[in-house]
Amino acid sequence: AQRVTQPEKLLSVFKGAPVELKCNYSYSGSPELFWYVQYSRQRLQLLLRHISRESIKGFTADLNKGETSFHLKKPFAQEEDSAMYYCALRDSSYKLIFGSGTRLLVRP
Amino acid sequence: NAGVTQTPKFQVLKTGQSMTLQCAQDMNHNSMYWYRQDPGMGLRLIYYSASEGTTDKGEVPNGYNVSRLNKREFSLRLESAAPSQTSVYFCASVKDNNYGYTFGSGTRLTVV
Repeated sequence: AQRVTQPEKLLSVFKGAPVELKCNYSYSGSPELFWYVQYSRQRLQLLLRHISRESIKGFTADLNKGETSFHLKKPFAQEEDSAMYYCALRDSSYKLIFGSGTRLLVRP
Repeated sequence: NAGVTQTPKFQVLKTGQSMTLQCAQDMNHNSMYWYRQDPGMGLRLIYYSASEGTTDKGEVPNGYNVSRLNKREFSLRLESAAPSQTSVYFCASVKDNNYGYTFGSGTRLTVV
């Protein structure tokens, strides 16, 4: 079955601390993975895609096929990073399957 | 360039009432999607339209119908609203398979 798991509902860190938001997936084919971010009462925005191998707002994510993971990382969290983060998998018919989301709270 | 526009932004319905959520995109995207967002459950796909003239069920289609009126517009209809349909509904579109989705700002629906 195709599934995206985000084990943490809430991740609370202090400003300047490293952040790692966990994402694991279950997919039989070659996965295409995304991270989306939703700031308070705003629409979801694409943060990054694994095939781009880019860094957006200091965030990076590496696809680890052996561990079926796509964890989102940032070395130094900022207060403006506080948001809801969703990991998503695009399936063979190009639909996005979302995880349940992790709320990141960066404390001053 | 407005992107994906959803109307209304907020709605309160009584159980059994019907309503249509509207979604329009001006980016000439082929595929459009309706998701519902519930706490602790992430976003779940209700219906999608891979191209103009086609629609398909997603993960949670029961109680909903959709219409892909033209390439720009994709509406979601609740024929007889139930409290379990209280949620935030997001419409999204994508140009082709090489891009991420563009989302609308959402419709917050409460069924009492």
